[in-house]
Amino acid sequence: EPEVTQTPSHQVTQMGQEVILRCVPISNHLYFYWYRQILGQKVEFLVSFYNNEISEKSEIFDDQFSVERPDGSNFTLKIRSTKLEDSAMYFCASRGPDRGLETQYFGPGTRLLVL
Amino acid sequence: GENVEQHPSTLSVQEGDSAVIKCTYSDSASNYFPWYKQELGKRPQLIIDIRSNVGEKKDQRIAVTLNKTAKHFSLHITETQPEDSAVYFCAASFTSGGSYIPTFGRGTSLIVHP
Repeated sequence: EPEVTQTPSHQVTQMGQEVILRCVPISNHLYFYWYRQILGQKVEFLVSFYNNEISEKSEIFDDQFSVERPDGSNFTLKIRSTKLEDSAMYFCASRGPDRGLETQYFGPGTRLLVL
Repeated sequence: GENVEQHPSTLSVQEGDSAVIKCTYSDSASNYFPWYKQELGKRPQLIIDIRSNVGEKKDQRIAVTLNKTAKHFSLHITETQPEDSAVYFCAASFTSGGSYIPTFGRGTSLIVHP
């Protein structure tokens, strides 16, 4: 069964550095998402992406965040200047191809630690 | 926006017992309610979902019920097994025109004792 993949599995960075988290959604999916989960807390929506543009974003997704689909397979989340509070697990998810199919498939996550 | 409350935060049961996790939501427009299971350090995985035009759905030992009037939905696990131990998240969303942004509950840590 196809799965969403994410790299790296873990990333440690210094405060103020830029990080790029990578995701490969399921190949025929059309909708892509980023979520974060701070340790011990619930999953929080960051952004959704469809047809090469952001379709919705949350209050968390401020100017330091950006997303990109640089080619036909990758979907990336960039954090420009990391802060301590960005430390979390970041999940990518995808769904589709039918607009009526709500099921989201999550990747294994990238655990980001900002020091 | 939508607000989802989930209870209990921790649930401890003996193997073979039933477990019930309850969620309430605030937005009456929400029409899709998935449940995810997340084992320690792993990705959330969809275990069952229900749409607002259905009151109950069952899949083997797992069932979900939805009360649209009261705006609450519940996950029922019967004959629990140790491998059911995980954190379970409920979510509510309004799906329209392709948009689907779930709001998650805070999660219930289910512990099944052998």
